[in-house]
Amino acid sequence: KQEVTQIPAALSVPEGENLVLNCSFTDSAIYNLQWFRQDPGKGLTSLLLIQSSQREQTSGRLNASLDKSSGRSTLYIAASQPGDSATYLCAVRPRETSGSRLTFGEGTQLTVNP
Amino acid sequence: ETGVTQSPTHLIKTRGQQVTLRCSSQSGHNTVSWYQQALGQGPQFIFQYYREEENGRGNFPPRFSGLQFPNYSSELNVNALELDDSALYLCASSPGGAWGTEAFFGQGTRLTVV
Repeated sequence: KQEVTQIPAALSVPEGENLVLNCSFTDSAIYNLQWFRQDPGKGLTSLLLIQSSQREQTSGRLNASLDKSSGRSTLYIAASQPGDSATYLCAVRPRETSGSRLTFGEGTQLTVNP
Repeated sequence: ETGVTQSPTHLIKTRGQQVTLRCSSQSGHNTVSWYQQALGQGPQFIFQYYREEENGRGNFPPRFSGLQFPNYSSELNVNALELDDSALYLCASSPGGAWGTEAFFGQGTRLTVV
């Protein structure tokens, strides 16, 4: 059974810091890994999608890497801003499924202080 | 292009009642999945529909059921509501049948069972 773990569970940093969020998964048989942002009480916003054949993806100040063999992904946020405060979730799509079936971690709650 | 929309946004029900939640998938997407997210936890997969057929189910009892319509919109029905059913219910859509595609989520329905 696929399990996804995110470390740390919570993180508080001053504005301007570069930071790294970690995600690990137990079964490397995945199609892709997706990072999401969730504001309190809201839905999920897709940030980055990394296919299993890729090593990293970048979007603006965000960079996500994937090491499928070791079951790890990191989300790097450069020059953090108070508007980045949210919960960040990673999710993997197991290889035997299609469509949108995902296994999620429990998230990292990020607070960026002005 | 419209995104994934869910209705209603909030709902309060009494234990033992039945509830129906609705989801309109993103244009061009024929796969819809439903997730339950308890407070402080990651979303848990309930089930998935592809072209009006259920093609995957998580560890949820039969009182959780669903439908997908010819226009690919979907409903989640929960019978005999329990207090533990209180959660944020999320719908996701993707262009199913294509492996490794990105999932897009709606804003969720907050269900409170009293």
